[in-house]
Amino acid sequence: TQLLEQSPQFLSIQEGENLTVYCNSSSVFSSLQWYRQEPGEGPVLLVTVVTGGEVKKLKRLTFQFGDARKDSSLHITAAQTGDTGLYLCAGAKDSNYQLIWGAGTKLIIKP
Amino acid sequence: NAGVTQTPKFRILKIGQSMTLQCAQDMNHNYMYWYRQDPGMGLKLIYYSVGAGITDKGEVPNGYNVSRSTTEDFPLRLELAAPSQTSVYFCASSYVAGHQNTEAFFGQGTRLTVV
Repeated sequence: TQLLEQSPQFLSIQEGENLTVYCNSSSVFSSLQWYRQEPGEGPVLLVTVVTGGEVKKLKRLTFQFGDARKDSSLHITAAQTGDTGLYLCAGAKDSNYQLIWGAGTKLIIKP
Repeated sequence: NAGVTQTPKFRILKIGQSMTLQCAQDMNHNYMYWYRQDPGMGLKLIYYSVGAGITDKGEVPNGYNVSRSTTEDFPLRLELAAPSQTSVYFCASSYVAGHQNTEAFFGQGTRLTVV
């Protein structure tokens, strides 16, 4: 069974703090995607990482793909209330149309 | 751009009733998916389709059926609704070419309650 485990499941912090959420697996993925989902909406893609060790930045968000392509992290610097949402990671394997989804990290940024 | 459109947004069904959740995409994507999302859980794949006329079961297909007569439409049918099917349903589409798995675009979801 291919599982993507996300941690923590829930995180509530003050605006301005930094945070890191994790997405771990024992399986190797050809790519890994991070999505953000807001209440009442479907997930929206933030980034795709493909190469082991790859780091991508999206303003205050930094995404890293593990060297062995089994894990990924999302670091948010100086969190803002607009960062509140459910963050989902999804892994893809070669020749596989089915994304494997983590259960998500629910992030609440308090003003 | 419409993207992926799902209807209805909300529905309450009685046990044993049937309904069809509609999904349409205007991006000419070859792949389409139906997921359900239960509280505190990730997305569970119900059915998927790799092109018109081709569908296959995902992780949790029991109690559901799909069809894909056109590239654009991918309806999900519940024949005998059960309380266990209370969930939020998301339709998604993507363009997959070769070994490249690209971005999945999601609809806004259908919140279904079975009572």
